Amino acid sequence: DAGVIQSPRHEVTEMGQEVTLRCKPISGHDYLFWYRQTMMRGLELLIYFNNNVPIDDSGMPEDRFSAKMPNASFSTLKIQPSEPRDSAVYFCASSLVAVIYNEQFFGPGTRLTVL
Amino acid sequence: GQQLNQSPQSMFIQEGEDVSMNCTSSSIFNTWLWYKQDPGEGPVLLIALYKAGELTSNGRLTAQFGITRKDSFLNISASIPSDVGIYFCAGGLYTGANSKLTFGKGITLSVRP
Repeated sequence: DAGVIQSPRHEVTEMGQEVTLRCKPISGHDYLFWYRQTMMRGLELLIYFNNNVPIDDSGMPEDRFSAKMPNASFSTLKIQPSEPRDSAVYFCASSLVAVIYNEQFFGPGTRLTVL
Repeated sequence: GQQLNQSPQSMFIQEGEDVSMNCTSSSIFNTWLWYKQDPGEGPVLLIALYKAGELTSNGRLTAQFGITRKDSFLNISASIPSDVGIYFCAGGLYTGANSKLTFGKGITLSVRP
């Protein structure tokens, strides 16, 4: 079975440009998570969805960040306008409905560089 | 907010040695998970623990869910070069529809041949 799929794997853009990161969760998983990873702050949860509905977006840094999940098999994380401090690796993860078992499975990540 | 503490930040061992990593928290969790991240890849789940006191093995890996629910350890026996990577602990606290994990900062493991 395919794991979590993310695209693009690498993105280089200039400050001020809009960036869209894409994620396809594992089929059948009801939860989708967006994380950001930096050397300084480690893995930070940005937002997560349950059944396509955003549940907790308290980790979204500011209004420049937005995330959508229009259907069960696709989600986007958008940064507009992008800034150099947004440079990081962005991961998408998914998990099954999790009353007890909340194992999350990660995608390969998108390495974003904002010049 | 909840924080998980992993230290030291880096560990250097000789091939064949055993290594143990701890993860501690000031608050309790219902689940503990251990992930490994290779360079340029996403974290991969190694072991998941669901019950206080639980001891679980996966090949050369052994992990335990602390009795207090505030800590966990991971042990790697007879290390090999491919064990190199970053090891993260994660604590889960589920309440209703809440399914968040809190991650530690990770420990970078280096294995000398």
